[in-house]
Amino acid sequence: KAGVTQTPRYLIKTRGQQVTLSCSPISGHRSVSWYQQTPGQGLQFLFEYFSETQRNKGNFPGRFSGRQFSNSRSEMNVSTLELGDSALYLCASSPSRTSGGSTYNEQFFGPGTRLTVL
Amino acid sequence: AQSVAQPEDQVNVAEGNPLTVKCTYSVSGNPYLFWYVQYPNRGLQFLLKYITGDNLVKGSYGFEAEFNKSQTSFHLKKPSALVSDSALYFCAVSPNTGFQKLVFGTGTRLLVSP
Repeated sequence: KAGVTQTPRYLIKTRGQQVTLSCSPISGHRSVSWYQQTPGQGLQFLFEYFSETQRNKGNFPGRFSGRQFSNSRSEMNVSTLELGDSALYLCASSPSRTSGGSTYNEQFFGPGTRLTVL
Repeated sequence: AQSVAQPEDQVNVAEGNPLTVKCTYSVSGNPYLFWYVQYPNRGLQFLLKYITGDNLVKGSYGFEAEFNKSQTSFHLKKPSALVSDSALYFCAVSPNTGFQKLVFGTGTRLLVSP
């Protein structure tokens, strides 16, 4: 199976612009989560989508938004970019199911999109 | 609120020696615990998880972790370190629900010297 793919891998924007990042999950995975990784704050949860619905949200301002399509692909959008938004944005997909008494919820991460805001 | 702590920023070990990367957790209820590894300019790779059952969990690349409920710890171990194990290791906890939210520790850099 192909892994989680993220596009683009690198992005340079200026303050005030907006950006859209894309994530294609592993085939059959219905849950997609997004994380922000910075040297200062570490890895922080942004939000999770499952069956096109936002199921969980982290503590980020409303400038950060996302969506999920019927094929489970997901996008996240950041509007009015700030210097502090420079980070590695990681997408993760998960089967998110319980079967036969076992819970399959480990997340598999993509390579990330490195966003630099100038 | 759930949290994990990785008390060591860096762990140094010689190749061939056993390694331990420490993690303690704080959760309400039964935790789902994970270890991930990150190589430079790469995403996170899943190593292993603890959901329930045996306290010793075996994972990828020869790694294992021991769940200790009384000490609220989930230390990552490997009997014999390789130089290629040098990377950034993250411990994470997830709520015992279907929601996919991982709370990560700050990470521990493992440096294995030849």
